[in-house]
Amino acid sequence: AQSVTQLGSHVSVSEGALVLLRCNYSSSVPPYLFWYVQYPNQGLQLLLKYTSAATLVKGINGFEAEFKKSETSFHLTKPSAHMSDAAEYFCAVSGGTGANNLFFGTGTRLTVIP
Amino acid sequence: KAGVTQTPRYLIKTRGQQVTLSCSPISGHRSVSWYQQTPGQGLQFLFEYFSETQRNKGNFPGRFSGRQFSNSRSEMNVSTLELGDSALYLCASSSGGETQYFGPGTRLLVL
Repeated sequence: AQSVTQLGSHVSVSEGALVLLRCNYSSSVPPYLFWYVQYPNQGLQLLLKYTSAATLVKGINGFEAEFKKSETSFHLTKPSAHMSDAAEYFCAVSGGTGANNLFFGTGTRLTVIP
Repeated sequence: KAGVTQTPRYLIKTRGQQVTLSCSPISGHRSVSWYQQTPGQGLQFLFEYFSETQRNKGNFPGRFSGRQFSNSRSEMNVSTLELGDSALYLCASSSGGETQYFGPGTRLLVL
């Protein structure tokens, strides 16, 4: 079975500070992992994905995530927060080979303080 | 390429009614998945269609059904609406690989 746990439902950072959003996964098969962002009243936008290639994945808007198998983690980081980063972020794991369903975490709402 | 489109964007229904939501995938994508998003339960997978066949199904009652047409457009139907069906319904399309691209969603309010 696949699942993800996002630690911290709310994270606040100052503009220009490091952003760190935590995600731990559980998967019975080699996982595909994703980070999505959701702005108010919008759908989900793909930030980045891990599909068993490089363990450090770079995404859009300066975000990156590192897959650590030993820690079953896939934390999302950005060196310097921008006001436009304020949104809700979801970590997700795929349902396994041949399965096109995603299991989502409960989300982390990021607030950026000017 | 145009993104995933969903219609309508907003919908108000009353208990007991039924509703049909529509999703047009990215051109060339043959897989369409549906998700329900609520404050209490978060994002939950409903079902996936690929080449007009339901390939995967989540843990929802039979009141939730879907179909896919030959042009890959998909519809989702909810019969006998309950207050708890109020949610944002998201559609996602994929070319068959692991990456899903989401539409803006349909916000359903059941009164």
